[in-house]
Amino acid sequence: GIQVEQSPPDLILQEGANSTLRCNFSDSVNNLQWFHQNPWGQLINLFYIPSGTKQNGRLSATTVATERYSLLYISSSQTTDSGVYFCAVSGAGSYQLTFGKGTKLSVIP
Amino acid sequence: NAGVTQTPKFQVLKTGQSMTLQCAQDMNHEYMSWYRQDPGMGLRLIHYSVGAGITDQGEVPNGYNVSRSTTEDFPLRLLSAAPSQTSVYFCASSLSNTYGYTFGSGTRLTVV
Repeated sequence: GIQVEQSPPDLILQEGANSTLRCNFSDSVNNLQWFHQNPWGQLINLFYIPSGTKQNGRLSATTVATERYSLLYISSSQTTDSGVYFCAVSGAGSYQLTFGKGTKLSVIP
Repeated sequence: NAGVTQTPKFQVLKTGQSMTLQCAQDMNHEYMSWYRQDPGMGLRLIHYSVGAGITDQGEVPNGYNVSRSTTEDFPLRLLSAAPSQTSVYFCASSLSNTYGYTFGSGTRLTVV
């Protein structure tokens, strides 16, 4: 199956700083999503982005499918951005969404 | 829209007991799935369904059964609970495998 690697595993930021989270995957994909798991455990879908670039407020994501990686940008971080960010992918024709192990982000005041 | 609703939120079982975790969605999504989340392991797919009457196994199906009699509901059954099934269980739904997924709020299960 597809392998998904996320980096860094942990990230500590001062409030107001910017960050970039990376997701590498081992094969071509037809589905790539970024999720935020907040400290209460809720999983929130941030982006569905198998290719291209999308932006939503302070968050943006870019997937370069030909080079098998995706980046999640967080600008002007806030304490509410804390939590774990997951990248998840599935290959063509597959319904099995494979998750990376996540990046744990802590934003301190 | 309520989205994806999971019940119960918390459950403690004794080894050998059986139970059903409920999942319902009101978005008319064809695709539904169950994941378990364990520390350091991310989320792993247990079973999924691409429509009423159609189910298939994911990465970690052993010890779990599913059925999909309606588009709205996708229950997960633990036949004989084991301590290794202590985990947080998430249900998700989507229009298809090329759309974003919506997750329920999870069920925290402890087997003693």
